[in-house]
Amino acid sequence: DTGVSQNPRHKITKRGQNVTFRCDPISEHNRLYWYRQTLGQGPEFLTYFQNEAQLEKSRLLSDRFSAERPKGSFSTLEIQRTEQGDSAMYLCASSLNQGNEQYFGPGTRLTVT
Amino acid sequence: GENVEQHPSTLSVQEGDSAVIKCTYSDSASNYFPWYKQELGKRPQLIIDIRSNVGEKKDQRIAVTLNKTAKHFSLHITETQPEDSAVYFCAAKDGSGNTGKLIFGQGTTLQVKP
Repeated sequence: DTGVSQNPRHKITKRGQNVTFRCDPISEHNRLYWYRQTLGQGPEFLTYFQNEAQLEKSRLLSDRFSAERPKGSFSTLEIQRTEQGDSAMYLCASSLNQGNEQYFGPGTRLTVT
Repeated sequence: GENVEQHPSTLSVQEGDSAVIKCTYSDSASNYFPWYKQELGKRPQLIIDIRSNVGEKKDQRIAVTLNKTAKHFSLHITETQPEDSAVYFCAAKDGSGNTGKLIFGQGTTLQVKP
């Protein structure tokens, strides 16, 4: 499968716990995006990487959120001290540097109890 | 920043009829407008896109039109089929900076009745 992949697909955690999600983009894509989608809404931008550099973060990304892309390939998104309001689908997308098309992964659905 | 409004929120049509979904955007610097289809529990799937240097693009039963002056764009689906039933999202590429981030509309739930 040469598409964007994400793991895990589902995560249930208790409030206050830390969680980490992984995204593997399409191999030649050097742009990587994280979005968050809540029920009945469109995806909302969280952060963007070009290669290993994190170049933009949304105001939605509180201090409890951190993202990395250490070697310019896969990326991780960590949420510390999870809150019920963090429950959402976390989507990753990738694109070519000079292209506009973004291709999404299947998402990680987070449920905080 | 960019803001994208999408209408209607729900749309029900009979199989074989046409469906039209409309979006408006606020940032005149936006130059790329994709449409995504999302089935329940699945990833958003890019179905068609348009750049600001063209006014219309067609791919089989799907077409998108763009009016830069009015800052609105529309998705047209002809000869709808039950498998077209899904949530459709429009988006606009943020015109500021060079990140390429997308700003999405609120989505339209399309139901095609057999």
